[in-house]
Amino acid sequence: GQNIDQPTEMTATEGAIVQINCTYQTSGFNGLFWYQQHAGEAPTFLSYNVLDGLEEKGRFSSFLSRSKGYSYLLLKELQMKDSASYLCAVREGGSYIPTFGRGTSLIVHP
Amino acid sequence: DADVTQTPRNRITKTGKRIMLECSQTKGHDRMYWYRQDPGLGLRLIYYSFDVKDINKGEISDGYSVSRQAQAKFSLSLESAIPNQTALYFCATSEGSNQPQHFGDGTRLSIL
Repeated sequence: GQNIDQPTEMTATEGAIVQINCTYQTSGFNGLFWYQQHAGEAPTFLSYNVLDGLEEKGRFSSFLSRSKGYSYLLLKELQMKDSASYLCAVREGGSYIPTFGRGTSLIVHP
Repeated sequence: DADVTQTPRNRITKTGKRIMLECSQTKGHDRMYWYRQDPGLGLRLIYYSFDVKDINKGEISDGYSVSRQAQAKFSLSLESAIPNQTALYFCATSEGSNQPQHFGDGTRLSIL
């Protein structure tokens, strides 16, 4: 089975940088996804990491360390519209389906 | 038009009723999934299907059943609804295990 841990809630200021962490304990590892979900809406895909290192996509970056069972999502130049939940999903070795963490609710204030 | 369409978007019903939630997709993906989302619990997998003749239980399949009528359609049924099945339900599709999932807009289900 999997144990995926994310902070429940974070707050940050518009224009700042925030790092949302995700730690996991799995039997094997086959990839990690990050999704964004605005309240009452569908999750939308942000990034996928399967190898160690940093993946950058505009204002959003995602980092993975497989040896530490650790990933983070880095959001730069925060905007009010970034207020949302951020979901980490891990695909364990031997599984075709990722398991979702409980998500981190990010509140961006002026 | 949305690539993954769920109907209905909202439903209020009574305990004991049979309910069907429908999902259709135009993405041409073989893999389809049903999740429920509850506050503080994240997305939990109910059932998934990798092909028209393939049905697999997820983490919380008790009290639910599914039907994969065609590649594009995957429906979820609650045979006899109970109040603790009140939740936000999402259908999703994907192209493969290393590909992201694409979610419908969700069905908000309330069981009184």
